[in-house]
Order: sequence, then structure tokens, then C-alpha cells
Amino acid sequence: AQKITQTQPGMFVQEKEAVTLDCTYDTSDPSYGLFWYKQPSSGEMIFLIYQGSYDQQNATEGRYSLNFQKARKSANLVISASQLGDSAMYFCAMREGIIQGAQKLVFGQGTRLTINP
Amino acid sequence: DSGVTQTPKHLITATGQRVTLRCSPRSGDLSVYWYQQSLDQGLQFLIQYYNGEERAKGNILERFSAQQFPDLHSELNLSSLELGDSALYFCASSVGRVLGEKLFFGSGTQLSVL
Repeated sequence: AQKITQTQPGMFVQEKEAVTLDCTYDTSDPSYGLFWYKQPSSGEMIFLIYQGSYDQQNATEGRYSLNFQKARKSANLVISASQLGDSAMYFCAMREGIIQGAQKLVFGQGTRLTINP
Repeated sequence: DSGVTQTPKHLITATGQRVTLRCSPRSGDLSVYWYQQSLDQGLQFLIQYYNGEERAKGNILERFSAQQFPDLHSELNLSSLELGDSALYFCASSVGRVLGEKLFFGSGTQLSVL
């Protein structure tokens, strides 16, 4: 069963606008972590932000913030003041459980974000 | 530079052949993960090792196998290759202790099966 769902295959946004990338997840484990990664055209995977299931506040990292709505099981990534360099593929991912060494990260299908000048 | 080293960067081979992809994790990381990225399947988790032991298995074909050696480097073996195995194969590593730890990814091995 698909555990991470990203419903937007592609998004086009004007430079300097804010953009929200959607991510919903499915888990019955009370302990889990949610991650966002960026993959530019060069191919490398770049970590952006992390949110733990017990974190009381939404995570922020510079221009990135995570809109975590636990009851809705959503973890949307918000990029403020978008830049041309933000054009990339964005992946939402989830890790379940707290067993040491058994913490695979499962990714969604990704959203391709294009920033227009 | 993530600190994760994958070799080779590119690999071109023929159907039916066998190849080995190699990964050296970041210094101190005990967990190694293998992922396959293709256009139609996205980023698929294949398998994870922690300190030499298999810990989690994903959608890994029986023709594929992996292992993690005592020095913690890992190898992914792909055999009886088919055209559909053409993909970007990522290795990632992490310490393997904390729920919130991020994965550090290598630059990937681009496999082309002709």
C-alpha cells in the first residue's frame, strides 16, 4: 500500500511567489518522521527539512517550512519567496518506528516544481 | 559532497549480464540503504543494512542481492539484467540510531541495459 502520496506531478510558479507542495501519508505507528528532499536536474538528493511526529511546532529551515497537520496526516512543504534555483523534483518521505537500525525511508512519487522568471 | 561514495558513476551493459554496484558510506554511519530511481517507478526502496545485517527489504527482485561488509561498505549485485533494470541506483547512509536522522545520498550509479 502506498504510504506516501504526492498528488501534484508538476507545478509551475512565478519567481518570488510562495509555493506549497502537498504530501499525505499513512501510518499506524505513533512514532514516525517526515522528510523532504530536493533533486535538481544534476541528480543529487538534497535534504531540506524534517518533522517528527511528536514535534509540537512546525519545522522551519530558512525559506522552507513544513505545514504539519497530524490529524489530516499531511506534511506539506512551503517554500517562501521562490527562486529560479528552486526548480527541481521534490520528494516527501517517511520513516516509521524507533527500532535502532531498522528505519527505512519510504519516498513518494515526487513533484516537479518549475519556477518561471 | 555528502561523504557517500558510489562507483561506478555510469555502467552500460547488455541484457543477461551481471553487474556489481559499490557504495562506501559516510564515516561513522552504520546503515546503508539502496534505492532504484526510474521514470515510471519513482524512488523505490530496495534494501537496508545495519552494521552488516539486513534490516529491511523493499521491492527488491530475486535477481538482485546485496551485502554489507565488515568495513561497512556495501555492494548491490544485479544479475540476469533486463532492459527494465535500466535506472539510477542510489546508495544512502545514516548513523542508524535516531528516528529523525537524515539520509545522506551518494551521487548514484546510472545503469543502462542495452
